[in-house]
Amino acid sequence: EDQVTQSPEALRLQEGESSSLNCSYTVSGLRGLFWYRQDPGKGPEFLFTLYSAGEEKEKERLKATLTKKESFLHITAPKPEDSATYLCAVQARNYGQNFVFGPGTRLSVLP
Amino acid sequence: KAGVTQTPRYLIKTRGQQVTLSCSPISGHRSVSWYQQTPGQGLQFLFEYFSETQRNKGNFPGRFSGRQFSNSRSEMNVSTLELGDSALYLCASSLDPAGGGDTQYFGPGTRLTVL
Repeated sequence: EDQVTQSPEALRLQEGESSSLNCSYTVSGLRGLFWYRQDPGKGPEFLFTLYSAGEEKEKERLKATLTKKESFLHITAPKPEDSATYLCAVQARNYGQNFVFGPGTRLSVLP
Repeated sequence: KAGVTQTPRYLIKTRGQQVTLSCSPISGHRSVSWYQQTPGQGLQFLFEYFSETQRNKGNFPGRFSGRQFSNSRSEMNVSTLELGDSALYLCASSLDPAGGGDTQYFGPGTRLTVL
């Protein structure tokens, strides 16, 4: 069964303190791995899509990387506005458009 | 380009009632997926529609149903509401090109409260 886990469950950082979030997955044939950011009461906002091991994507203070078993979301010098829940999802080759989501990491960046 | 829109944004219903939620995808997107999000279960896949056909279905009871119209707009219906149906219902659309992973873009969600 396809499965996605994320760690840590919650993370508190001081402004400027860099860190990484982990997404581990087991899927029978990965089509894509997706990172989203979600603010309370809102829909997930798309951040990155990664397709193959070794791929990296960057956007402002965020950088996503992918291996055959996990993905990392690196946050460099975070700001309070980066506080949100970060969700990871995988799409398997035999599941059409079905995304399997992880439980998320709740990030708080303190000023 | 306008994003995914969902209506209504908030709904309060009582047990036993039924409810219909609406989703308008990004212009040009033909695939619409629905998800249920709760604090305990996270984001769970309900079903996906493409060209007015349900292509994929998650593990939810038959009380949950949906449809898609020729303009790609989609509705989902929940009949005989239960307290456990209280959740944020999210709609996502994607282009669905042939082959390769395809990014889904989410709407703001409909917050359903069942009393």
